Amino acid sequence: QKEVEQDPGPLSVPEGAIVSLNCTYSNSAFQYFMWYRQYSRKGPELLMYTYSSGNKEDGRFTAQVDKSSKYISLFIRDSQPSDSATYLCAMVGGNEKLTFGTGTRLTIIP
Amino acid sequence: GAVVSQHPSWVICKSGTSVKIECRSLDFQATTMFWYRQFPKQSLMLMATSNEGSKATYEQGVEKDKFLINHASLTLSTLTVTSAHPEDSSFYICSARKPLGYTFGSGTRLTVV
Repeated sequence: QKEVEQDPGPLSVPEGAIVSLNCTYSNSAFQYFMWYRQYSRKGPELLMYTYSSGNKEDGRFTAQVDKSSKYISLFIRDSQPSDSATYLCAMVGGNEKLTFGTGTRLTIIP
Repeated sequence: GAVVSQHPSWVICKSGTSVKIECRSLDFQATTMFWYRQFPKQSLMLMATSNEGSKATYEQGVEKDKFLINHASLTLSTLTVTSAHPEDSSFYICSARKPLGYTFGSGTRLTVV
């Protein structure tokens, strides 16, 4: 079993829809949780960084963490074609090494 | 803030030659940098952890003699792919920890012909 599980998609939604991306994890040592967006042939771009259970909002993005269920989510409201990318969840424990999900390929259809 | 600059963005080299990739932290000091490799449509695979002034720590299965890492200053880490072969063709990305999360370079696409 992988430490971090993420549905690889692909996921296609119409413009303006709410997108929900999810990851589950098995390692209780993970303390910090991140969501990255990666465009083709580019480095990952940090979208959200959280370290406690609950919700964190930044513009159209909301990150949700449920440590009791070992489950994290990223919601994108009012999705735009420019949101089309691969979204990676990542988490880290005490050793500073990031563990990534496999990434979800998202396409927003105009 | 907390920008990591990676160069070159792409490189083509002949089999048997060596290629150096640079990663600079522009507006902060990075005691630790991480080097990743990414194959098409796959996630990032950690290759090694680079610590300023000391030897890099390589992940299991990564050849330290092939992938030489140098972290001589708090703002520069380099990855040298030695005696490159076509199977080394990949997307290489560096990363550094910042106060709230990790920041990544833009990546280097290496093609060995």
